[in-house]
Amino acid sequence: GDSVTQTEGPVTVSESESLIINCTYSATSIAYPNLFWYVRYPGEGLQLLLKVITAGQKGSSRGFEATYNKETTSFHLQKASVQESDSAVYYCALGGAGNTGKLIFGLGTTLQVQP
Amino acid sequence: EAAVTQSPRNKVTVTGGNVTLSCRQTNSHNYMYWYRQDTGHGLRLIHYSYGAGNLQIGDVPDGYKATRTTQEDFFLLLELASPSQTSLYFCASSESHSGNTLYFGEGSRLIVV
Repeated sequence: GDSVTQTEGPVTVSESESLIINCTYSATSIAYPNLFWYVRYPGEGLQLLLKVITAGQKGSSRGFEATYNKETTSFHLQKASVQESDSAVYYCALGGAGNTGKLIFGLGTTLQVQP
Repeated sequence: EAAVTQSPRNKVTVTGGNVTLSCRQTNSHNYMYWYRQDTGHGLRLIHYSYGAGNLQIGDVPDGYKATRTTQEDFFLLLELASPSQTSLYFCASSESHSGNTLYFGEGSRLIVV
């Protein structure tokens, strides 16, 4: 079936350190998967951080980057230097045409950035 | 600015109680979704809709009904609430299923005692 697996949290890093949150997917019923990273800051709803709909492409936003790797079925989220304000829950998600608009989410990874 | 608004933001009810969660979007989107979010499970789709009067069953529909009265309004109904339905509920909308960018509300926290 279709599924998303991401780094189990919580992940704790110090401010200005680098970050990687792993995400791998299985898309057996979706011919051309779209991949997303959503973020939920405390007390808020989820918001789109970045998305990539073409394999081999990279998405970026707010200093975060993720590359859609079809060969390894991965979409890891990276940031070179995190800030305390990046503390949030990060969700990797999978969707695409033929999936009736539904997104399949990973379990979420809680990131705690220490000052 | 486009927005998805949920109400109530917090609700406590007793087992067997009747609860309605409301969602209104001003995005002019056709698609609306109800998700629940639980520790260890991530977000799971309960029901969704393609437009007014349309309802589609999601992945965890048991114990929930939904109704889409207008393009803007999507309701989630728990007619006999159970403690297993204690959760954080998110409503979302999207323009279409192509590209799938969802716009979420802030969430409704429901506690069933």
